[in-house]
Amino acid sequence: AQSVTQLGSHVSVSEGALVLLRCNYSSSVPPYLFWYVQYPNQGLQLLLKYTTGATLVKGINGFEAEFKKSETSFHLTKPSAHMSDAAEYFCAVNSGGYQKVTFGTGTKLQVIP
Amino acid sequence: EAQVTQNPRYLITVTGKKLTVTCSQNMNHEYMSWYRQDPGLGLRQIYYSMNVEVTDKGDVPEGYKVSRKEKRNFPLILESPSPNQTSLYFCASRRGLAYEQYFGPGTRLTVT
Repeated sequence: AQSVTQLGSHVSVSEGALVLLRCNYSSSVPPYLFWYVQYPNQGLQLLLKYTTGATLVKGINGFEAEFKKSETSFHLTKPSAHMSDAAEYFCAVNSGGYQKVTFGTGTKLQVIP
Repeated sequence: EAQVTQNPRYLITVTGKKLTVTCSQNMNHEYMSWYRQDPGLGLRQIYYSMNVEVTDKGDVPEGYKVSRKEKRNFPLILESPSPNQTSLYFCASRRGLAYEQYFGPGTRLTVT
């Protein structure tokens, strides 16, 4: 079985401040981990993913995430928030060899000018 | 342009009236899925397909049917829609398990 927990359904940061969105997962086998972003009235698009190899992965728009197996975490960070980062962010897990994809409940990021 | 298309984008219907939401991808992807998105619940997988004629249930399959007769198409069928199926639906496709999903623009369904 697999599951994803995103802490904080709403996060507010000031423009220029650090963005930290938390994601913890559970998986009985090595996971594939993804972060997606959803802008208002749009579908989801990939920010970044971890499958194997380097545990620090970089994505689009200056985001990055670190896979920490010991903490079962895959937190998303960005050093300096921009107004255009305001969106909903979803963490997803797909256990290796397992067809189902499980999404977290999402975190809405608000960026305050 | 690589894309996943869904139709219709918006649909209002009445309880019990059968409907089909179409999904098509032009990337020759093996895997396709349907999700529903509800506030506070994130995305939940309804059905997925690993290839033509190979489908399986996701986490919330009750009240839905799918078929995969061609690689590019994966329609979602609601034989007798009910108000609790009012939701935002997304179709997605991907090349393989370690690959990201490409999402369609969504279909907002209201069942009265």
